[in-house]
Amino acid sequence: EAGVAQSPRYKIIEKRQSVAFWCNPISGHATLYWYQQILGQGPKLLIQFQNNGVVDDSQLPKDRFSAERLKGVDSTLKIQPAKLEDSAVYLCASSARTGGFGELFFGEGSRLTVL
Amino acid sequence: DAKTTQPPSMDCAEGRAANLPCNHSTISGNEYVYWYRQIHSQGPQYIIHGLKNNETNEMASLIITEDRKSSTLILPHATLRDTAVYYCIVYNYGQNFVFGPGTRLSVLP
Repeated sequence: EAGVAQSPRYKIIEKRQSVAFWCNPISGHATLYWYQQILGQGPKLLIQFQNNGVVDDSQLPKDRFSAERLKGVDSTLKIQPAKLEDSAVYLCASSARTGGFGELFFGEGSRLTVL
Repeated sequence: DAKTTQPPSMDCAEGRAANLPCNHSTISGNEYVYWYRQIHSQGPQYIIHGLKNNETNEMASLIITEDRKSSTLILPHATLRDTAVYYCIVYNYGQNFVFGPGTRLSVLP
């Protein structure tokens, strides 16, 4: 079974530029999450999708971050414009069960450095 | 905020059992205890979860106290590949997994 795929693995940009991350969840998984992990901290949830609908985006900085999950499969997370404090690893996870009640499967993450 | 408290770091000798504690004194009756681990440069990986009873799988054992206010994750024979950050999470249906800083376990040769 293929795992959660993310790209790019690494991205370096200057502040005020934009960046996009892509995630392909495990086939058939209805729930998709984006987490932000700053160095030395645990992952922090940014947004949760159930199929192509947003379940929770309360911690997403909506003035600069946006995410979509068209057709309920792949997802894209965008940051525009980026700030220095956005330097982090962006993790995508998926779950088979509604509401995420069960095991989360994480991708390897996309590491963003903002200079 | 995370509902759990874990020591920031622990060491364990290779081949010995690693016992990772977690306090969750405010856990409610229908909340589960989940454990994940994160090896360097990888995403977190599910290990085990439980509600009241002790649980065991091929990776680890989970011991939950009778009052459910604390638990211990046991890796019976730690190897160097078990070096990772271990997260203890209290979770219920409809909530989100809230990760704290976890415990950094170093398995020493």
